[in-house]
Amino acid sequence: GQNIDQPTEMTATEGAIVQINCTYQTSGFNGLFWYQQHAGEAPTFLSYNVLDGLEEKGRFSSFLSRSKGYSYLLLKELQMKDSASYLCAVRVSSASKIIFGSGTRLSIRP
Amino acid sequence: DAGVTQSPTHLIKTRGQQVTLRCSPKSGHDTVSWYQQALGQGPQFIFQYYEEEERQRGNFPDRFSGHQFPNYSSELNVNALLLGDSALYLCASSSTARGSWTGELFFGEGSRLTVL
Repeated sequence: GQNIDQPTEMTATEGAIVQINCTYQTSGFNGLFWYQQHAGEAPTFLSYNVLDGLEEKGRFSSFLSRSKGYSYLLLKELQMKDSASYLCAVRVSSASKIIFGSGTRLSIRP
Repeated sequence: DAGVTQSPTHLIKTRGQQVTLRCSPKSGHDTVSWYQQALGQGPQFIFQYYEEEERQRGNFPDRFSGHQFPNYSSELNVNALLLGDSALYLCASSSTARGSWTGELFFGEGSRLTVL
C-alpha cells in the first residue's frame, strides 16, 4: 500500500522558521517532491530529493532520509505570501507515478 | 512558452451524465497525468498516459477513462457521474527526456466539476 502522512494544519509567525514533516510508506521510492498550493490555484513545484540529505533553494530547504521514510520542508524568514498548502509527494516507480499526501495548510500570522 | 492548459475551467453536471475534460501539456512534455482533488485534500492519482497508452492507474473505477492523442494532449472522461465526483480535476505534464529529469509535474489550473 501507499501512505504519506503530514500534519493537517500549522501556524507560524511572519519572519520566523517553520518545519513541515512528511513520513511515507510506499511500495517503491524514486524521489520525493514538495509542492506549494495557494487556495484556488494549481500546485507549483518547490523541491526534489532523491538522495539522503538537505537540498537548499533560497528560503526553502528540503531534507530526506530514505532509511526512515522521512522528509521535511523548512521555510525560513516567513512571509505572509507563504500562507498556502504544502504537499509532500513520492514518485513510487521509475515510470513516474507520483502520489501525494493530503497536504499541510500553513497559516502565517503577522 | 505555454504551460499546461485545461478546459473547461468550471462545469456543472447532473448525476448520471457524462463529462469530458481536456488538457494540453507543456511544450516539450510527453507524459500526462490526471489527478482528482477534493476540497481540503491532496491530489489523488487517477491515471497516466504516455505514448498514447495508459501506463499507470490509481484506485479509480472504470467509469474514469482517458485518451492521449499523437500531439500529447489528453482527455479525461467520466461516465455515470456521482455526487462524489465533484472535485477539482488537475492535469499535470512531465517529460521523460533525461535532460530534464527530476520528472517534476507541471500542473494546469484545473477543471472544477460540480455534480448536482
